[in-house]
Amino acid sequence: EDKVVQSPLSLVVHEGDTVTLNCSYEVTNFRSLLWYKQEKKAPTFLFMLTSSGIEKKSGRLSSILDKKELFSILNITATQTGDSAIYLCAVTTSGTYKYIFGTGTRLKVLA
Amino acid sequence: SQTIHQWPATLVQPVGSPLSLECTVEGTSNPNLYWYRQAAGRGLQLLFYSVGIGQISSEVPQNLSASRPQDRQFILSSKKLLLSDSGFYLCAWSVLDFGYNEQFFGPGTRLTVL
Repeated sequence: EDKVVQSPLSLVVHEGDTVTLNCSYEVTNFRSLLWYKQEKKAPTFLFMLTSSGIEKKSGRLSSILDKKELFSILNITATQTGDSAIYLCAVTTSGTYKYIFGTGTRLKVLA
Repeated sequence: SQTIHQWPATLVQPVGSPLSLECTVEGTSNPNLYWYRQAAGRGLQLLFYSVGIGQISSEVPQNLSASRPQDRQFILSSKKLLLSDSGFYLCAWSVLDFGYNEQFFGPGTRLTVL
């Protein structure tokens, strides 16, 4: 059965800290891995990583994909209180239209 | 640009009552449509997805059902709600493709069953 696991489940840091969120997966015929940020309601898209794009960066956020070890990390540097959210990881596979989500990591950044 | 609508935003229903949540997408054609449920502060559980009118795939056996009467309309229903149906329900859409596109989410419906 396809599975996506995120760690840690929750994390509390202070402003200015750097955090690393993990997403590991066990799926058949991996296609892409996506990261989302969810603050109050709808998750918003951050990055998509595929075989042809294993590293992405946007401002203080960056992500890499390790297809050999079957995991991805999301790094946030110089954290701000506005980074407080649930971070979701999802994986897609060839031949299906499904997005398999992990358990999420709840990040709280203290001022 | 594309927009996804969900209503109602919040709902409080007694056990045993029926449910109907609606989701509509604007600005795109032939989208894949999805219903998810999210327990408090946790990940998303896929309930149903649809790749076309009248085509519904169910992921979790339960007392919920879904229908897609029009290309850009997706409805989640129940004849009799259970306490365990409480949660945050999210509708999402993506381009009809095999996993190379991000999903876009609606604002969600928070359902409380008492």
